[in-house]
Amino acid sequence: DVKVTQSSRYLVKRTGEKVFLECVQDMDHENMFWYRQDPGLGLRLIYFSYDVKMKEKGDIPEGYSVSREKKERFSLILESASTNQTSMYLCASSLGTGMFFGSGTQLSVL
Amino acid sequence: ILNVEQSPQSLHVQEGDSTNFTCSFPSSNFYALHWYRWETAKSPEALFVMTLNGDEKKKGRISATLNTKEGYSYLYIKGSQPEDSATYLCARRTGANNLFFGTGTRLTVIP
Repeated sequence: DVKVTQSSRYLVKRTGEKVFLECVQDMDHENMFWYRQDPGLGLRLIYFSYDVKMKEKGDIPEGYSVSREKKERFSLILESASTNQTSMYLCASSLGTGMFFGSGTQLSVL
Repeated sequence: ILNVEQSPQSLHVQEGDSTNFTCSFPSSNFYALHWYRWETAKSPEALFVMTLNGDEKKKGRISATLNTKEGYSYLYIKGSQPEDSATYLCARRTGANNLFFGTGTRLTVIP
């Protein structure tokens, strides 16, 4: 079974902190994605990567950056966390048409 | 329709009732339509991927239909059970490696 693992289930940070959300997949997928889920807004794409060291902006990249140094790991970085970045963050990976998700990180920024 | 829209946003049904909900999407540039089930504290789980107009897929008590010309898909659950309680997401693929998600339908099945 494909496994997409997000490092934390719950995270509480303070405004202005630098935050790292880590995601690891074990199936050698080329494509990896970061989404956020907010009530009434659905899953919105922040960034995606289709290869090591490659990254593409999604629909809402402002305030975020990403890092993909190894194929299996895709990190989402909040350079200076703000309260409007409180959300559920989902990582996903895909090869072809199937997309596989992690179980999410609920981030609260106080 | 500019975005993927799902309705209703939430619904409650009694155990044993059948139910259905709708996903509407732009019909242009269509590549595939995905349905996911997302239970609380778990990963979204893929239910169906449909690509052809008129496609019908079935998995146990859950089935889905696709109309790409008019831009909609229906998800049906027959004889709902409490374990069906989840958020059901649909997503449209346009050919790139990205999915555009709807806001989801949150289903609660009351025992």
